[in-house]
Amino acid sequence: ETVLTQSPGTLSLSPGERATLSCRASQSLSSSQLAWYQQKSGQAPRLLIYGASSRATGIPDRFSGSGSGTDFTLTISRLEPEDFAVYFCQQYGNSPRAFGQGTKVEIK
Amino acid sequence: QVQLVQSGAEVKKPGASVKVSCKASGYTFIKYGITWVRQAPGQGLEWMGWISGYNGNTNYAQKFQGRVTMTTDTSTTTVYMELRSLRFDDSAVYFCARGGGYMDHWGQGTLVSVAS
Repeated sequence: ETVLTQSPGTLSLSPGERATLSCRASQSLSSSQLAWYQQKSGQAPRLLIYGASSRATGIPDRFSGSGSGTDFTLTISRLEPEDFAVYFCQQYGNSPRAFGQGTKVEIK
Repeated sequence: QVQLVQSGAEVKKPGASVKVSCKASGYTFIKYGITWVRQAPGQGLEWMGWISGYNGNTNYAQKFQGRVTMTTDTSTTTVYMELRSLRFDDSAVYFCARGGGYMDHWGQGTLVSVAS
């Protein structure tokens, strides 16, 4: 079973700053089968990135994903007010699928 | 547009069963599977399992094996998730989402509360 560990748990930043979120897998993910989701309070998650680096439909280009193997990163180049939320990574290279525990991006 | 519309909130007693529905529209149903994910209050996302929209094949998380059943009705493009022998810690929001790998569209969530 592949375990995903996200860091940091909480990121305190100001609008306009750059956010860098990390996701580490306990075993290598073939074909970079990793996705990132954004979730706001009381809402369903929204797909941001799939295949480690491909942006989902309608996702602004300030969101980017990178990485391969066991280490993956989600970068938000300049935080907008609507970007303050919780972010989850998810692996779909192995069964069972699994999510990281989440990183909360909060306003400093 | 793709839509997944889930059934309403449920309150159940311990030991009971709950069946949540997920009505899909806006795409060819048999081309995609549906994944079920749950989220306990203030917690992260937990993958429960997946069902094929094509042939009804399933893949359940080991944690739920024997307690969960996912089914599809292609005539109504609706997917169902039944969870039996409910416990207090099954209280959560249950989401359906399109896809068996990454999930690109999500239902609004169904709150299931287990209380005596």
